[in-house]
Amino acid sequence: AQRVTQPEKLLSVFKGAPVELKCNYSYSGSPELFWYVQYSRQRLQLLLRHISRESIKGFTADLNKGETSFHLKKPFAQEEDSAMYYCALYTGNQFYFGTGTSLTVIP
Amino acid sequence: ETGVTQSPTHLIKTRGQQVTLRCSSQSGHNTVSWYQQALGQGPQFIFQYYREEENGRGNFPPRFSGLQFPNYSSELNVNALELDDSALYLCASSPSGGLGIQETQYFGPGTRLLVL
Repeated sequence: AQRVTQPEKLLSVFKGAPVELKCNYSYSGSPELFWYVQYSRQRLQLLLRHISRESIKGFTADLNKGETSFHLKKPFAQEEDSAMYYCALYTGNQFYFGTGTSLTVIP
Repeated sequence: ETGVTQSPTHLIKTRGQQVTLRCSSQSGHNTVSWYQQALGQGPQFIFQYYREEENGRGNFPPRFSGLQFPNYSSELNVNALELDDSALYLCASSPSGGLGIQETQYFGPGTRLLVL
């Protein structure tokens, strides 16, 4: 069963517009959730993790256990946010990544 | 401080052959994970090693095996290669681990394997 679902393969928004990348997970235990980002010609890197409760590059993500979601949000998209975003779940001994959402911010 | 490195960058093998991919962890990291990423897909977790012991395994057959060495470098071995094994193989190291503890992973650039 797919553990992490990212329903949008492609997402385009205009610069300055709000952006939300959706992530839903399936796990009965206590999840540990992450967002990873891959900019063009760069390595996959951690953007944020839910236990840190940080805002990184203006992005935030809130874990909603009732809806089993961990959506990534930014109020005002910037061109440099254009990248591939992966939601990931860690279950204590395994990692599960979603299929990714390619975000394009239109100038 | 050097980042995670992987070798080789590209590799071409034929079906049935065996392959070894290598990963050098970031300095001070004692946990390494390996992933397979097919085109257009997210990374799929193969396994994780913590202090030379396997610490978790994804849904991959036993012909995928690994080793972690005392200096925390590691290898991914794949036997009896199949066409579907063609993918980008990523390793990621993290500073600490153990069961149930997952610190930030730092990814390498990957090895692209093509099986003909």
